[in-house]
Amino acid sequence: DQQVKQNSPSLSVQEGRISILNCDYTNSMFDYFLWYKKYPAEGPTFLISISSIKDKNEDGRFTVFLNKSAKHLSLHIVPSQPGDSAVYFCAASAGNTPLVFGKGTRLSVIA
Amino acid sequence: EPEVTQTPSHQVTQMGQEVILRCVPISNHLYFYWYRQILGQKVEFLVSFYNNEISEKSEIFDDQFSVERPDGSNFTLKIRSTKLEDSAMYFCASNLQRATYEQYFGPGTRLTVT
Repeated sequence: DQQVKQNSPSLSVQEGRISILNCDYTNSMFDYFLWYKKYPAEGPTFLISISSIKDKNEDGRFTVFLNKSAKHLSLHIVPSQPGDSAVYFCAASAGNTPLVFGKGTRLSVIA
Repeated sequence: EPEVTQTPSHQVTQMGQEVILRCVPISNHLYFYWYRQILGQKVEFLVSFYNNEISEKSEIFDDQFSVERPDGSNFTLKIRSTKLEDSAMYFCASNLQRATYEQYFGPGTRLTVT
């Protein structure tokens, strides 16, 4: 059962442009969403999160948008940098339940 | 900056053998987790641990698995009799709050069962 779906396994973006990573979820009980970044041979690193009471959260170059009616969230990276090249995981939680992860999207930022 | 550490980085074992994966969570964190990621698949929750007991576990976490916090710093995952399908990256995570938000992950242990 894929409660959290990242339908794009990979994405390539030119340096300086916007990267948009998408995530859909099916469980309407999810109330907190997180994005993690993962480099090869490293563990996931927390990037940014959003509570279901908000529709936007911004941190520097990273912005997460939440559309609850569509059960969709997205991560925007502006401007994209080569160091942003990594696998990005969307994760969700319903209250105190453990994190449920998507399969990830591999972002490649081309110089 | 404090971080979660894991040892070993890579463990190779034969089917049927016991393995212990070790983690040192961030020192003031109270909640500890194990996740695994089979190659090419998503990160999956195994177990959460708080106040010296399991607080939640997934269907994956069967009787072959156990966790322990043997002292004030280490958090271990034991697999009693490994199977080929246990081959995966195992990630330890910790956080300060009861909610599972913003968990901090270690670099992982790659377990290869032959």
